[in-house]
Amino acid sequence: NAGVTQTPKFQVLKTGQSMTLQCAQDMNHNSMYWYRQDPGMGLRLIYYSASEGTTDKGEVPNGYNVSRLNKREFSLRLESAAPSQTSVYFCASSESVSGGTYEQYFGPGTRLTVT
Amino acid sequence: GENVEQHPSTLSVQEGDSAVIKCTYSDSASNYFPWYKQELGKRPQLIIDIRSNVGEKKDQRIAVTLNKTAKHFSLHITETQPEDSAVYFCAAITGSARQLTFGSGTQLTVLP
Repeated sequence: NAGVTQTPKFQVLKTGQSMTLQCAQDMNHNSMYWYRQDPGMGLRLIYYSASEGTTDKGEVPNGYNVSRLNKREFSLRLESAAPSQTSVYFCASSESVSGGTYEQYFGPGTRLTVT
Repeated sequence: GENVEQHPSTLSVQEGDSAVIKCTYSDSASNYFPWYKQELGKRPQLIIDIRSNVGEKKDQRIAVTLNKTAKHFSLHITETQPEDSAVYFCAAITGSARQLTFGSGTQLTVLP
């Protein structure tokens, strides 16, 4: 099992450019999440998908959109990148069944720089 | 929404000593509290977790305690080793999709 994979690993964008971060998991998890990590601020939830076909805003959704393409894949799109979106982005997945494990498994991250 | 505060932000200990990291949470409905370890340039990885119906859990050198009344939980690492050096994050889970709210992290340095 590859677990949670993300592409690309690194990306540099100019202000105003758009891009999509890809995430896939092979653990048959229902829930998937996108976080951003900035120095001294921990991980903040951008968007999440409780199950295939549903998406919801997290703590910091402005400037982002998501698509839950199928059960395996959850993408994050920046329509018009801004320097404030320079960050490390992590995708994660977990089971959402009540009483089951709540562990979130993280991907390796995407380091994004917006100039 | 949930708010998780974590202290201290940095912690240095001598090898072999114990380290304690503390977190508080705001939402009394939160019922699951994981701790993640993140090494430099790597992804966060779960090291221990505790559910709200348990007061303490131990796994070798690592233990977590939970005080639901006071809404705080702590990570205890005994007999620290240089490989314990990393950033540690506490978190609390809430909501129907089991969203995690993370603390701001503690940089632990174990001095040889």
